[in-house]
Amino acid sequence: DIQMTQSPSTLSASVGDRVTITCRASQSISSWLAWYQQKPEKAPKLLIYSTSTLDTGVPSRFSGSGSGTEFTLTISSLQPDDFATYYCQQYNTYLFTFGPGTKVDLK
Amino acid sequence: EVQLVESGGGLVQPGGSLRLSCAASGFTFTDYTMNWVRQAPGKGLEWVSYISSSSSTTYYADSVKGRFTISRDNAKNSLYLQMNSLRDEDTAVYYCAREGIPFDYWGQGTLVTVSS
Repeated sequence: DIQMTQSPSTLSASVGDRVTITCRASQSISSWLAWYQQKPEKAPKLLIYSTSTLDTGVPSRFSGSGSGTEFTLTISSLQPDDFATYYCQQYNTYLFTFGPGTKVDLK
Repeated sequence: EVQLVESGGGLVQPGGSLRLSCAASGFTFTDYTMNWVRQAPGKGLEWVSYISSSSSTTYYADSVKGRFTISRDNAKNSLYLQMNSLRDEDTAVYYCAREGIPFDYWGQGTLVTVSS
């Protein structure tokens, strides 16, 4: 099975900061990586798929990059609505593994 | 508007059974594979099960294999998860998710609590 890791587990930042989250896969997943945002008591929301494609309506301050086993999610200028937990997910195989999550909170 | 509405959660004793449902609307249900994903209290997301559009193919996480069964009724635009031999560690919010690219729409979730 493909294992996913994320770093950091928690990130404290201020509005306007540039934020980067890293996701690593235990083996190559090509570009089959997605990012989700989840707020408390809410369902996850798809942000990015195929490593770097923004889902419809996602602000352009979000971007994704990487390939193979190492991927990043970047928020270019953190906004108040962006404080949430972010998960990466591989869909290279039908065991759709999620990363453990990165919580972005207010510094 | 795409909508996925889960139901069927509740309190069940260890060893018991529960059947979750997910009612889909706003899209052509038969065009999409579907999944169940769960989230234990205060924990991360865990994929549970997959079913193809025609029900011909199903997959399960090792943690539920042999105990859970995914199914769908395309005539009723509905997805199901039959959960047997429930354990304390199955306590979670269970979400149904449409497999777009990859999970583009999610329901609001239904809470399953396994406790004596």
